[in-house]
Amino acid sequence: GAVVSQHPSRVICKSGTSVKIECRSLDFQATTMFWYRQFPKQSLMLMATSNEGSKATYEQGVEKDKFLINHASLTLSTLTVTSAHPEDSSFYICSAGLGGLKTEAFFGQGTRLTVV
Amino acid sequence: KNEVEQSPQNLTAQEGEFITINCSYSVGISALHWLQQHPGGGIVSLFMLSSGKKKHGRLIATINIQEKHSSLHITASHPRDSAVYICAVRYSGGGADGLTFGKGTHLIIQP
Repeated sequence: GAVVSQHPSRVICKSGTSVKIECRSLDFQATTMFWYRQFPKQSLMLMATSNEGSKATYEQGVEKDKFLINHASLTLSTLTVTSAHPEDSSFYICSAGLGGLKTEAFFGQGTRLTVV
Repeated sequence: KNEVEQSPQNLTAQEGEFITINCSYSVGISALHWLQQHPGGGIVSLFMLSSGKKKHGRLIATINIQEKHSSLHITASHPRDSAVYICAVRYSGGGADGLTFGKGTHLIIQP
């Protein structure tokens, strides 16, 4: 199946700093990538839909100025957590598909963010 | 929006047992996914279904569109099957909406 690579897998940062997470589709082109967040013992929640060449679509309650998404190419989407706070500590994971509503979802490995 | 309900939340079984995890949803979907999440967090897609039944090794997934219900079965369960199993759906309609996830079923298979 298709491969989605997410980097870094773990990051610890100081409160107030910014962290960038990368999501790459290695062997296919993804016009759309999705970013999800998972707090401990909770289900994954969609944060935003990243569209190549256009602005991301954010879910209700997700601050677009705090979670900056850039999808500059068909194989790379980045999520930047700006001015991180301890409450942003979470598991972030991206996914991409081959296009269309009935296609497989391929997930990155996820990023465990800890803000201290 | 669609809610995705999974049951049971937690399941502990002995090696070799037949395992069933259930998922129900409330509105029309274009596809349903069964995912496996290991303790480190990584997620593996097991199945994507829009109708019928799929089988891969010891895993079987079924979906009943009319009943809005899907099941994941594991035959001859093994301790390495221990993980969180998540049901996720993609809504029908236009756009490229992301998945909506159930809360997961935490499965432990004891030797």
